[in-house]
Parts: sequence; structure tokens; C-alpha cells
Amino acid sequence: ETGVTQSPTHLIKTRGQQVTLRCSSQSGHNTVSWYQQALGQGPQFIFQYYREEENGRGNFPPRFSGLQFPNYSSELNVNALELDDSALYLCASSLASGGYTDTQYFGPGTRLTVL
Amino acid sequence: GESVGLHLPTLSVQEGDNSIINCAYSNSASDYFIWYKQESGKGPQFIIDIRSNMDKRQGQRVTVLLNKTVKHLSLQIAATQPGDSAVYFCAEVGGSTLGRLYFGRGTQLTVWP
Repeated sequence: ETGVTQSPTHLIKTRGQQVTLRCSSQSGHNTVSWYQQALGQGPQFIFQYYREEENGRGNFPPRFSGLQFPNYSSELNVNALELDDSALYLCASSLASGGYTDTQYFGPGTRLTVL
Repeated sequence: GESVGLHLPTLSVQEGDNSIINCAYSNSASDYFIWYKQESGKGPQFIIDIRSNMDKRQGQRVTVLLNKTVKHLSLQIAATQPGDSAVYFCAEVGGSTLGRLYFGRGTQLTVWP
């Protein structure tokens, strides 16, 4: 096991709703990244948080937002859900220092279905 | 942006045989690559990594080869076992965001007894 947990495991929402996904990183990891994995595809980078600040974003609209907390937990929020948001959402934690990052450890993911 | 892709979407092998999974990348400036294994219902699991100053790296039953001339990676799994059945991704680490991973589509490896 990686020591990274995510909740909930599965979630069903309807178009237009808002959703919050949660991640608990490994203790001591100061960096968390979120990825979206559509069925049959590789994970796509959404954004990264380093020491509670956004540290980079992929090609995702502003309705995807996040938070990182001092207790090694983090959230991914998605507003105005669209059908194409249906995917597996993965968080990955790592320890970054001195311009380098350690191995990223992934959680099991949250399967989001938008109807 | 970076583009990482795999040559074959599926690979079937007999238990005990060796497996080779290939991956091509497009960014010649990339200097760090990782192979991940993803089993059904789980997140990607780190297998092995390699930096661009190396051509080969070995782990337990796995070997990664890097050919920078043709921008190609391969993952070799020795004596493949049923537990190796999974989707395998190569990921390129790069971009301005520290540790950002660029994944390909993945190869589904199926091991037959």
C-alpha cells in the first residue's frame, strides 16, 4: 500500500452539480498532484499543490479547483459538472525539496460518474 | 506539450515468458522517465525509473531500456507471472511543474497460465 487514501471510492452526480473529492497524503509529503483518468486513457495532470499553494496547472478550466491543508489532506472541487467529467480521479503525494521531487505515490482513486 | 505514447495497446504472454512493453516519447529535452503498473480498481504503482544519463536500469525481474536517439523506452519483465497482469504506463517527468507526470495511453498486459 502507498499510504495515500482517497474518499469516496465511488460517486454519482448529475450535470450541473458540484463535487468535492478528498485525499490524504503520506505523512510528511508536502506536494500533492491531482490527475483525471478517463476510461482507457492514461492519467492527465490537473494541478499540483506545494505547501498549500497551487504550483502548476494542466489544461483544465477554472471550475476545477483545489485546496491543500497542513494536515497532509487535500481536496479537488469541480463545479458545474459536465458529462465529460466522468472519470477516475487520482491524487499522488510526494516530497519535494531543493528543486527535486521524490517518487509520487498514488491513491486508489475516486470513480466519478456524471449523469 | 510533451507526448508519450505506446506502440501496442494489448500484449498477451504465457506465464514464464518474458514480456516487452514499448513506449515512445516526443520531447527530446525530457530527462526522467517512470514506468507505472495499474491493476484494476487501483491507482498507478511505481515500478522503476530511469534518468536520461542512463541507457539501462534493472530492478527485481524488470529492466528499463532508454534509447535517446530514437526517443524510445521499453520495459522488460522476466518470467512473467499472472500477478503481472495489469495496464502498464510509461510516464515522462517534465514541464515547469515539479514532478509533473505525462502519461501515455497504457498497454494492457495479460498473462495466460
